[in-house]
Amino acid sequence: NAGVTQTPKFQVLKTGQSMTLQCAQDMNHNSMYWYRQDPGMGLRLIYYSASEGTTDKGEVPNGYNVSRLNKREFSLRLESAAPSQTSVYFCASKSRQGDLTEAFFGQGTRLTVV
Amino acid sequence: RKEVEQDPGPFNVPEGATVAFNCTYSNSASQSFFWYRQDCRKEPKLLMSVYSSGNEDGRFTAQLNRASQYISLLIRDSKLSDSATYLCVVDNYGQNFVFGPGTRLSVLP
Repeated sequence: NAGVTQTPKFQVLKTGQSMTLQCAQDMNHNSMYWYRQDPGMGLRLIYYSASEGTTDKGEVPNGYNVSRLNKREFSLRLESAAPSQTSVYFCASKSRQGDLTEAFFGQGTRLTVV
Repeated sequence: RKEVEQDPGPFNVPEGATVAFNCTYSNSASQSFFWYRQDCRKEPKLLMSVYSSGNEDGRFTAQLNRASQYISLLIRDSKLSDSATYLCVVDNYGQNFVFGPGTRLSVLP
């Protein structure tokens, strides 16, 4: 059971380069999320998708775009990377069964922009 | 003011100690509450949900006070393996998880 899979695990970009972070979940969850985590800041929501075909901005969306390709996949794109986007990025999906809710995370992508 | 705030930490405690973490949230409409654990350079993982009546899972006890908008986590008989960062998480409107900044715990031999 793979859960949430993110690729790549590590990436170094030059300022101005673009890249797409991939995320896939095999748990049939409707909701998927992209977070970034910086020291002392905790996890901050970039974008989320409540269901296939919908996306919404989170707390820190500037400089990012997302695509919910299908129920399984939710990608995050940096069109023109900046050093301020150096961070650890986590994808998550969320299940809800009655009153029970749990978010499952991918292993993270460590991105450095130089 | 951040939506979810936690004790800044770090907490350094000896093995066997009891340690308590506090968390406050600002959105009175928040629906669900959780504690997540994050090991160094790893993804967060669910430790336990927090219910209004309070709940216990082994050495871990979570409490929720909706009137004060306050959540706590108590760890009894700390183990070396409890060393991690503990994240307070609030679920708003059933869609969005909001994370606190985390409190780091180091259990010392």
